[in-house]
Amino acid sequence: GEDVEQSLFLSVREGDSSVINCTYTDSSSTYLYWYKQEPGAGLQLLTYIFSNMDMKQDQRLTVLLNKKDKHLSLRIADTQTGDSAIYFCAEIPLNNNDMRFGAGTRLTVKP
Amino acid sequence: DVKVTQSSRYLVKRTGEKVFLECVQDMDHENMFWYRQDPGLGLRLIYFSYDVKMKEKGDIPEGYSVSREKKERFSLILESASTNQTSMYLCASRPGGNSPLHFGNGTRLTVT
Repeated sequence: GEDVEQSLFLSVREGDSSVINCTYTDSSSTYLYWYKQEPGAGLQLLTYIFSNMDMKQDQRLTVLLNKKDKHLSLRIADTQTGDSAIYFCAEIPLNNNDMRFGAGTRLTVKP
Repeated sequence: DVKVTQSSRYLVKRTGEKVFLECVQDMDHENMFWYRQDPGLGLRLIYFSYDVKMKEKGDIPEGYSVSREKKERFSLILESASTNQTSMYLCASRPGGNSPLHFGNGTRLTVT
């Protein structure tokens, strides 16, 4: 079956920008989400974008959506060591009760 | 804020034991979910429930069962734990529609 796809690892230096990419599966998905998981914790909702938007900015976070290519990205400006975590993208297809997740991208921020 | 509480952060059980993982949410959400998380595999859905006493199989239900006797509580049961069930288990809830999931902090289960 189709999967929500993300690369597994990303390493950046403190102060640089991080870009985490995701390809989702269902063009009917109305909202697309980014979650953050810190070590030993559950997933925390970070941000989301409605499918009729191209971009959403929230402080250091920018979400870009390309519906034609079903591509979603999360940019973190001025990345800090506290941003080190696993980031998951997720979708809820229309008429589906389940949320589909990517495998998660582990972001490592080096000082 | 929505609070999803999992009763244990860490559990160590022996092969063959019956294991109960408990989850409680305080926001009257209709839908509750159990996932397991393994390195490189992301989150895989075990079971979900959209109402009291209702349950649906997810992607990997084998070896698990669930119980939802009250709206706020969703239990995951391992009838006879096996070592391949060693994993992080995450409970989540949400209301209907396109609302996002709210997660508990997870239970790390080790089966020896």
